[in-house]
Amino acid sequence: GAVVSQHPSWVICKSGTSVKIECRSLDFQATTMFWYRQFPKQSLMLMATSNEGSKATYEQGVEKDKFLINHASLTLSTLTVTSAHPEDSSFYICSAPVPGQGRPNEKLFFGSGTQLSVL
Amino acid sequence: SQQGEEDPQALSIQEGENATMNCSYKTSINNLQWYRQNSGRGLVHLILIRSNEREKHSGRLRVTLDTSKKSSSLLITASRAADTASYFCATDIISNFGNEKLTFGTGTRLTIIP
Repeated sequence: GAVVSQHPSWVICKSGTSVKIECRSLDFQATTMFWYRQFPKQSLMLMATSNEGSKATYEQGVEKDKFLINHASLTLSTLTVTSAHPEDSSFYICSAPVPGQGRPNEKLFFGSGTQLSVL
Repeated sequence: SQQGEEDPQALSIQEGENATMNCSYKTSINNLQWYRQNSGRGLVHLILIRSNEREKHSGRLRVTLDTSKKSSSLLITASRAADTASYFCATDIISNFGNEKLTFGTGTRLTIIP
């Protein structure tokens, strides 16, 4: 079946640095990808919708300049956490809709997630 | 605010028993989905039930939907140790931007005791 690959699985960085997380659809094209954030033992919170060839749509309360999203191709979306601080430490997960569904959210493939720890 | 609230938050049962998790939501939906998450991993789609359906089966999974009560349940029969995971319901709603988005519930952490 279709696979979404997310890299890296985990990253530790110093406060003030930027971290880039990649999300790739391996054997299908994804014009839309979703980025979520998850705190320990909590649910996923949608951060933004990444749109190929256009600007991402951010959810209310998510800083666009803090979380830069680029969707330059049909198989790759990146999330860059800029000037990371300890409060940005979290589990970040991407997803892409399964091709051929009636509605874009009827089934999602998820990446394996990235655990970000900011020191 | 969270669209879906699940209960229980945590559930521990003996292997072989059935596990039931419930999800309540707030707004009208197009469909409701259940996902599974192993610790520190991404989510895996389990099953989708549409707003005009009341019950659906997939292997050992049985999902019900009551749109009048805005609630759904996921039943896992004959549980196995490998079923240990967190389970999330997700509802397909219209966002503030007018596009559809999937909103996840708070999740149930299921532990199967061998």
